[in-house]
Amino acid sequence: QKEVEQNSGPLSVPEGAIASLNCTYSDRVSQSFFWYRQYSGKSPELIMSIYSNGDKEDGRFTAQLNKASQYVSLLIRDSQPSDSATYLCAGGRSGGSNYKLTFGKGTLLTVNP
Amino acid sequence: EPEVTQTPSHQVTQMGQEVILRCVPISNHLYFYWYRQILGQKVEFLVSFYNNEISEKSEIFDDQFSVERPDGSNFTLKIRSTKLEDSAMYFCASSNDPAAGGYTFGSGTRLTVV
Repeated sequence: QKEVEQNSGPLSVPEGAIASLNCTYSDRVSQSFFWYRQYSGKSPELIMSIYSNGDKEDGRFTAQLNKASQYVSLLIRDSQPSDSATYLCAGGRSGGSNYKLTFGKGTLLTVNP
Repeated sequence: EPEVTQTPSHQVTQMGQEVILRCVPISNHLYFYWYRQILGQKVEFLVSFYNNEISEKSEIFDDQFSVERPDGSNFTLKIRSTKLEDSAMYFCASSNDPAAGGYTFGSGTRLTVV
C-alpha cells in the first residue's frame, strides 16, 4: 500500500506568520509531488509541484523535497486569512498511461486575523 | 482559463438506483480520472482513463462502477446500484501531462444516497 501521510492538524497561525505543512510518503519510487489547496466544500486546486531534492519557491509558497527522508513540506510565508483551507499533499510516479496521484488526508490550516 | 466541468453539482438518489455523473475534461487533455471524497476523509482514487480505455482502477471501483467516453468531449461515471456508502463528493480530473503538471479538478458532484 503506497501511502502519503500528513499531520491532520488543525494548524493555527496568526496572520503574517509562516505556516509549515509536512508530508511523508512510503513509496520510494514516487518521483513527483504536488500540494493542493482545498477550501471547504470545494475541489482541490493545485498550488505547487516539486520533483527534485531541495526547495522550490513560488511567491509566498516554498515547497521542499527530501527524497532520502521521503519527506515533502510546504511553507507559506506572510500567511493570510484567505490561506485558511485544507492542504493536500499528493505523490505520483511515472508509469506511462497509468500515472496517478495518491493523496494524503490533508492538513487543516487556520490563519487568524 | 480552461476548466473541467462536472454535472450535476448535487444529486440525490434512492438506494439501488443508477446514477450517471458527467464530466467535460479540458479539451486538449488525454488523461482522465475519477476520485471520490467521503465527508471528512481523503481524496481517493477510483479510476484512470487514457486513450479511450481504463488504465488503472482501484479496489473501490468494483462491478457497480463503469466509465465511458461516449463522444469526444464527455467522460462519465456510472454507478449501477447505489448504496448508502456511495454518498460522497465525486471529482473528475484531467491532465495533458500528470507527472509534470498534476491534474485539474472539476468542481465535483455531491452524491447523496438515501
